[in-house]
Amino acid sequence: AQSVAQPEDQVNVAEGNPLTVKCTYSVSGNPYLFWYVQYPNRGLQFLLKYITGDNLVKGSYGFEAEFNKSQTSFHLKKPSALVSDSALYFCAVSFFYNTDKLIFGTGTRLQVFP
Amino acid sequence: ETGVTQTPRHLVMGMTNKKSLKCEQHLGHNAMYWYKQSAKKPLELMFVYSLEERVENNSVPSRFSPECPNSSHLFLHLHTLQPEDSALYLCASSESDRGLTNEKLFFGSGTQLSVL
Repeated sequence: AQSVAQPEDQVNVAEGNPLTVKCTYSVSGNPYLFWYVQYPNRGLQFLLKYITGDNLVKGSYGFEAEFNKSQTSFHLKKPSALVSDSALYFCAVSFFYNTDKLIFGTGTRLQVFP
Repeated sequence: ETGVTQTPRHLVMGMTNKKSLKCEQHLGHNAMYWYKQSAKKPLELMFVYSLEERVENNSVPSRFSPECPNSSHLFLHLHTLQPEDSALYLCASSESDRGLTNEKLFFGSGTQLSVL
């Protein structure tokens, strides 16, 4: 079965420190991987995606994610966290050539403390 | 602003009421989606419309009825809902891109629905 897992409900980090939000996936074939962010009282916003090519993908707001095929992971990272990064982050995976089958994780709440 | 507008932002309804959620996209996209977001659960894809035709219906109860009169508007008609239907309902749009690289979804801010 196709699935995506975000093992942490919440991640806490101090402002200025590096952050990592974890995501692992299980799909048949080559995955398309996405990260979305949801700020309070807003819909989800696209951050970045991995389709093919370089395993390190750079996205919006200084975020990046690394595709690791052997570990079936796609962790979201940022070298220096900001308080304004506090939000709910969703990993998503697609295994077909359209977004009709985009499978989301349960979300990880990132809290950045001043 | 993502270009996808949902109304109302909040809705409280009784189990016997009939109400509708509205979504409008100003991005020129051909595909529109309804998702249900409940706390600590993955987003649930409910319906997909591509070029105004329904292409996905993930075993959603019949008390939820979608309507897509044109490529810019999407409705979700609600009747005789249950308390467990309380959730954030998100609308999204994208280019209809079958066969091509996945395009990103653009989401509205959602309608927070409470069923009493």
